Amino acid sequence: AQTVTQSQPEMSVQEAETVTLSCTYDTSESDYYLFWYKQPPSRQMILVIRQEAYKQQNATENRFSVNFQKAAKSFSLKISDSQLGDAAMYFCAYSLGRGTYKYIFGTGTRLKVLA
Amino acid sequence: DGGITQSPKYLFRKEGQNVTLSCEQNLNHDAMYWYRQDPGQGLRLIYYSQIVNDFQKGDIAEGYSVSREKKESFPLTVTSAQKNPTAFYLCASNYQRAISDGYTFGSGTRLTVV
Repeated sequence: AQTVTQSQPEMSVQEAETVTLSCTYDTSESDYYLFWYKQPPSRQMILVIRQEAYKQQNATENRFSVNFQKAAKSFSLKISDSQLGDAAMYFCAYSLGRGTYKYIFGTGTRLKVLA
Repeated sequence: DGGITQSPKYLFRKEGQNVTLSCEQNLNHDAMYWYRQDPGQGLRLIYYSQIVNDFQKGDIAEGYSVSREKKESFPLTVTSAQKNPTAFYLCASNYQRAISDGYTFGSGTRLTVV
């Protein structure tokens, strides 16, 4: 069965510094998608970044980038130049590239940004 | 603007009552999903539907029911059989042919048993 593990329940970062959130997953499939979602206090889920497993190049969206290690089944999120508005719960998610397309989510990491 | 609307934002249920959570989307997405969010447990899939008049159980379907009579609508009923319904419920949708686009989420419904 596919699983997603986020081993850091909570992380803190100083404003303007860089922080990395960890995510590992377990699958025997070769075609899948990985996502990071942000859930601020409003609880509205926002897509931060996505990665297709067949792409070797790490995805980047402005201050957000990933380190995708397919062999190690690792998908970490790096936030550069952290801002107060980055404070939120961050969820890692996995989806097969075929079939039901349902997502499996990790348990989340709460990120605190210190002024 | 296109999006997903969940209502109500807050819902209170008495013991033994059934309640229905609404989810409507105007994105023309074919697939819709219901997730339950509890502290420390992330999001768990309750039900999902890939096409009108068809739906499948997720990982925690017991005590819940759904219908998909229209493409735009995917209501969730929390029945009295659900022993611990207090949680935050999120509805999501996507195009199945555009998996890499990710889900679009509603703003959620907070259900509390009183």
